[in-house]
Amino acid sequence: EVQLVESGGGLVQPGGSLGLSCAAAGFTFSNFWMHWVRQAPGKGLVWVSRINGDGTITNYAESVKGRFTISRDNAKNTLYLQLNSLEADDTAVYYCACESYDFWGRGTLVTVSS
Amino acid sequence: DVVMTQSPLSLPVTLGQPASISCRSSQSLVYSDSNTYLTWFQQRPGQSPRRLIYKISNRDSGVPDRFSGSGSGTDFTLKISRVEAEDVGVYYCMQGTHWPPTFGQGTKVEIK
Repeated sequence: EVQLVESGGGLVQPGGSLGLSCAAAGFTFSNFWMHWVRQAPGKGLVWVSRINGDGTITNYAESVKGRFTISRDNAKNTLYLQLNSLEADDTAVYYCACESYDFWGRGTLVTVSS
Repeated sequence: DVVMTQSPLSLPVTLGQPASISCRSSQSLVYSDSNTYLTWFQQRPGQSPRRLIYKISNRDSGVPDRFSGSGSGTDFTLKISRVEAEDVGVYYCMQGTHWPPTFGQGTKVEIK
């Protein structure tokens, strides 16, 4: 059974940093691209970033480029998202999802507020 | 970016009646490999998104056959033949043909 479990969310001040993790199980993690998608409170889904299976290719939404960094550790079956220079508009639930969006985690809430 | 426009944004439905959601893209979603990467998701209250349909009309495993997807080019539709109580939630279309992937605004399905 495929499982994706996000962690690392919390309350952070504007300009601060946070590191998110997504632990994967039930499939050959290193074979698949992985995505981060976010959802602001009461709003819709927004794609954030993706990374290929061996971690050599990464892509970002324009709104987070230069501030967020996606990475992965295939030995630990874990996906990461480092969030820097956080702004109020980054407040959202952050989901990790598999390559074809067929499996999603439950999400982790990031709140940016002073 | 490709803009995905859903309508209606709110859809009150009587139990047992059909429902239909439209999704239009600002550009054709036919990719160079001839596939059309149009996906539908369901998000029940308090839950993560769940993929229902991919490449316009392919239903995911475990998705009831009352859900169906259709369309081509820039015009797509998700239909529920007979709405059940468990279908309440927000439905999103998403295109994966053009970079970056983009979602529609969501359509909230509720029971009248």
